Amino acid sequence: DTAVSQTPKYLVTQMGNDKSIKCEQNLGHDTMYWYKQDSKKFLKIMFSYNNKELIINETVPNRFSPKSPDKAHLNLHINSLELGDSAVYFCASSHGMETQYFGPGTRLLVL
Amino acid sequence: GQQLNQSPQSMFIQEGEDVSMNCTSSSIFNTWLWYKQEPGEGPVLLIALYKAGELTSNGRLTAQFGITRKDSFLNISASIPSDVGIYFCAGHPVTDSWGKFQFGAGTQVVVTP
Repeated sequence: DTAVSQTPKYLVTQMGNDKSIKCEQNLGHDTMYWYKQDSKKFLKIMFSYNNKELIINETVPNRFSPKSPDKAHLNLHINSLELGDSAVYFCASSHGMETQYFGPGTRLLVL
Repeated sequence: GQQLNQSPQSMFIQEGEDVSMNCTSSSIFNTWLWYKQEPGEGPVLLIALYKAGELTSNGRLTAQFGITRKDSFLNISASIPSDVGIYFCAGHPVTDSWGKFQFGAGTQVVVTP
């Protein structure tokens, strides 16, 4: 009965490949987020969707494309992966602007 | 994205000691959150604060929303080995858009028996 789940937990891939990360929440929240955590543990917001509408789109390369098929799901597709994309990607969800609950993370390693 | 000033960066303490950390900013916030992240896991919410001056406890943890609305602190009393982890503050500036929280760089807590 995990609240916010992500798949896969680990992702190792070659430079130039395209990959997707999936996120699902069963909390009934209407807002979902993608964060990137770098090697220094700094959490930086990338995107946010409210009721399937993109509301936060930070300065992120356009190789990153989020997609929200419904309120409970927010996926992240990354094209032409680069070495610098290696990081931990966290999905989170909230009810409106309230407290955000995080998923377990996807550890991406680009070789 | 802007980052909050969180200190200390790390703390090495003995079991039973109290721990104190804080976050400050030049911006005014309407929400402060404190999270704990253990290795290989996502951040887990510890305490949420919504009002200036609010003091909230969660077991041995106590956090306060600063009266100036620009800072917050977290205290852990009588630390135990399972308190080990990285503690993050997150604040929502009143001027920022929906859900755009700023995060501190984290305080790494190590507890020795």
